[in-house]
Amino acid sequence: DQQVKQNSPSLSVQEGRISILNCDYTNSMFDYFLWYKKYPAEGPTFLISISSIKDKNEDGRFTVFLNKSAKHLSLHIVPSQPGDSAVYFCAASASRPGTYKYIFGTGTRLKVLA
Amino acid sequence: DVKVTQSSRYLVKRTGEKVFLECVQDMDHENMFWYRQDPGLGLRLIYFSYDVKMKEKGDIPEGYSVSREKKERFSLILESASTNQTSMYLCASSLVGLNTEAFFGQGTRLTVV
Repeated sequence: DQQVKQNSPSLSVQEGRISILNCDYTNSMFDYFLWYKKYPAEGPTFLISISSIKDKNEDGRFTVFLNKSAKHLSLHIVPSQPGDSAVYFCAASASRPGTYKYIFGTGTRLKVLA
Repeated sequence: DVKVTQSSRYLVKRTGEKVFLECVQDMDHENMFWYRQDPGLGLRLIYFSYDVKMKEKGDIPEGYSVSREKKERFSLILESASTNQTSMYLCASSLVGLNTEAFFGQGTRLTVV
């Protein structure tokens, strides 16, 4: 049972426009959410995160929005750049002791067209 | 900077071989993880460890075991490699505590022939 879902396997966006990547989760115990970026043949790198006590977190061109009632989060990249082309994974964790694992989605491949 | 280092970038092994994937982190992190990445399936958790000699199964532990004898080192063992274990293997580490991120190694592309 997939607890973290990214329903769009791929997304193409024109350079300079907004990229919106979506993620849904099913486990209400999740209270910390992360986005990672992955290039081929490399490990994922941490991008941005959000705690469940917030509904928005911004870091430069990247903003993550959390809608707890809908169990949905999204990553906005504005403006998109060709170097943003990568696979993006969302992940979730629960802060209860003993459950420090991160559950990842299936990823969305973003292609930013020059 | 946190550094998570996996011993090999690429490995080719034969079916039935015992395979060891090694991971070392240099930031005194309590938690360590092994994931595999496959197309369309994302990152799936194989095993994780929250302390030396402690381990817990993830979502797909079958065919794998792990060892954590020292805090900085977490090894993934394929007891008898099979072709369906051909994958990208990713090691990660993190601090214990609220709202911390995991740091990943560069990955090991394992091919079992």
